[in-house]
Amino acid sequence: DAGVIQSPRHEVTEMGQEVTLRCKPISGHDYLFWYRQTMMRGLELLIYFNNNVPIDDSGMPEDRFSAKMPNASFSTLKIQPSEPRDSAVYFCASSSNRGTDTQYFGPGTRLTVL
Amino acid sequence: AQSVTQPDIHITVSEGASLELRCNYSYGATPYLFWYVQSPGQGLQLLLKYFSGDTLVQGIKGFEAEFKRSQSSFNLRKPSVHWSDAAEYFCAVGHYNTDKLIFGTGTRLQVFP
Repeated sequence: DAGVIQSPRHEVTEMGQEVTLRCKPISGHDYLFWYRQTMMRGLELLIYFNNNVPIDDSGMPEDRFSAKMPNASFSTLKIQPSEPRDSAVYFCASSSNRGTDTQYFGPGTRLTVL
Repeated sequence: AQSVTQPDIHITVSEGASLELRCNYSYGATPYLFWYVQSPGQGLQLLLKYFSGDTLVQGIKGFEAEFKRSQSSFNLRKPSVHWSDAAEYFCAVGHYNTDKLIFGTGTRLQVFP
């Protein structure tokens, strides 16, 4: 299996621009998680899906952030408009049955907003 | 409030030395406990997990962890560290009635030859 795939690996953009991060979970996994990692706040859960349905988005920082999962093999995290404080590494993870089952993380997208 | 504390931000050990990384949790019920490792530029990988039963858990790469309910701790250990163990280590806590994990802030391990 190819594991969790994220794209792009690096993204540099200017403040105010729209940013879209992409994730392909492991085939057959029913849960998908989006995390953000920063030095100041560590690893934070933003939102997670079960069977393509958003279950908990309480970690999404603002309305500028949105996430979708149109099918079992693809999810996006969008930031519009982006701000410098959104600079972070964004991880996607998937698990087969529960969030407390092993979560398999992608390599992350390093976002820099200038 | 539920939380995970990793008191050591950075630990340095010599190759071949033993290792113990500390993790303390605050949780209202019997937790599920995890250790994940993150190599530079990579995502997190599960080392081991505890749900119930034997409080000493064996994981991959020669790691083990011990759940001590009285101390609210789940410390990670390895008897002999290899240079390839240099990475960041995260403790996490969850529960059977939630799919969300709470991660600690991580401990960065540096290994000297």
